[in-house]
Amino acid sequence: DAKTTQPPSMDCAEGRAANLPCNHSTISGNEYVYWYRQIHSQGPQYIIHGLKNNETNEMASLIITEDRKSSTLILPHATLRDTAVYYCIVRERETSGSRLTFGEGTQLTVNP
Amino acid sequence: GAVVSQHPSWVICKSGTSVKIECRSLDFQATTMFWYRQFPKQSLMLMATSNEGSKATYEQGVEKDKFLINHASLTLSTLTVTSAHPEDSSFYICSADLMRTGNRELFFGEGSRLTVL
Repeated sequence: DAKTTQPPSMDCAEGRAANLPCNHSTISGNEYVYWYRQIHSQGPQYIIHGLKNNETNEMASLIITEDRKSSTLILPHATLRDTAVYYCIVRERETSGSRLTFGEGTQLTVNP
Repeated sequence: GAVVSQHPSWVICKSGTSVKIECRSLDFQATTMFWYRQFPKQSLMLMATSNEGSKATYEQGVEKDKFLINHASLTLSTLTVTSAHPEDSSFYICSADLMRTGNRELFFGEGSRLTVL
């Protein structure tokens, strides 16, 4: 799995957009970008994933640069419940059983 | 959506005893499951890859004789911490791969918090 780099922490005001960056400069062509989050003392929760096109679902949007070396997870209207550690991971999609390793992630704190 | 369940969610045991943690995929079959360990204020650390019907693959530095993994069926993997010591106290999390047409997702259990006295 390619290594990812994320800022250790970020703050965001409630109701505002939270933009979480991730660098993955060594990503290979068959690797997808996945985002998970972990609320304290719970298992990680899947948020979104993408290959090269921007993606959006009910939770968030994922913007991947054209060279695929970085991406940004966007929570459009952050709430207090979005406070969590957010992990950006790159991983092959097609190969069942490939390992998924976590970096340090970004602690997002949403403030009232 | 697919669900992965762990049991127990928390356990306290005496030093020297063994503890078994179960990981079940509730509505899908998982040929591969993963076990992670997480210490306070740290990220998840992959311990091993559990393969149904075969031996688990352990990450470097993880003692296979201490952390016994059994993946006897397509919906169940177990992690047994043998002769537990206080330094084994941690949050243990399992995950399972779900391959669906055009999509691959990794689902995580709720985690099991082990405290060794």
